Amino acid sequence: NAGVTQTPKFQVLKTGQSMTLQCAQDMNHNSMYWYRQDPGMGLRLIYYSASEGTTDKGEVPNGYNVSRLNKREFSLRLESAAPSQTSVYFCASSEYSGRFYNEQFFGPGTRLTVL
Amino acid sequence: AQSVTQPDIHITVSEGASLELRCNYSYGATPYLFWYVQSPGQGLQLLLKYFSGDTLVQGIKGFEAEFKRSQSSFNLRKPSVHWSDAAEYFCAVGISSNDYKLSFGAGTTVTVRA
Repeated sequence: NAGVTQTPKFQVLKTGQSMTLQCAQDMNHNSMYWYRQDPGMGLRLIYYSASEGTTDKGEVPNGYNVSRLNKREFSLRLESAAPSQTSVYFCASSEYSGRFYNEQFFGPGTRLTVL
Repeated sequence: AQSVTQPDIHITVSEGASLELRCNYSYGATPYLFWYVQSPGQGLQLLLKYFSGDTLVQGIKGFEAEFKRSQSSFNLRKPSVHWSDAAEYFCAVGISSNDYKLSFGAGTTVTVRA
């Protein structure tokens, strides 16, 4: 049981390049999330998917797109990377029970640098 | 919109001393409250959570937190810290049980000195 996995762990891009960050969970969770972490700002939600087939914008969606490929996988795409997107990106998942606010489980993160 | 404030950016504590991390939230009703810990280079791990009921909640690694509605606070405590408690700690708030979105505070970095 690997939990939440993310690839790659590290990436360096040049301004204008594109890339996709991959996330997969093996806990059969309905909901998945993408966050970015910047010093002094905590984690900010980029996009989320409350259930398979749905995606919604979070707090900082500009410059990103997402795909909920299936129940297990949720990818984040940077179409034209900018230096302001240099950050650590975390994927998370949680179970939907309809009543309770369940714990989010986090992946190990992807450290992205845009030059 | 709800917000979460962690007033202390950085705390240094001696090994064996007590630790208290502050968290204040801004929301009209009682939110769902969480504390997460992030060790260097790692993802986030849940320490404890509060939904309702007893306002003092116990978590993993010897941590506890107390919900105080009158102060809109959910402070994290540990009676005696270990060197392995050096990490970054995040308070998080959720208000919608439809999508489980969380708002995170900016985090408090804890340094443990020998």
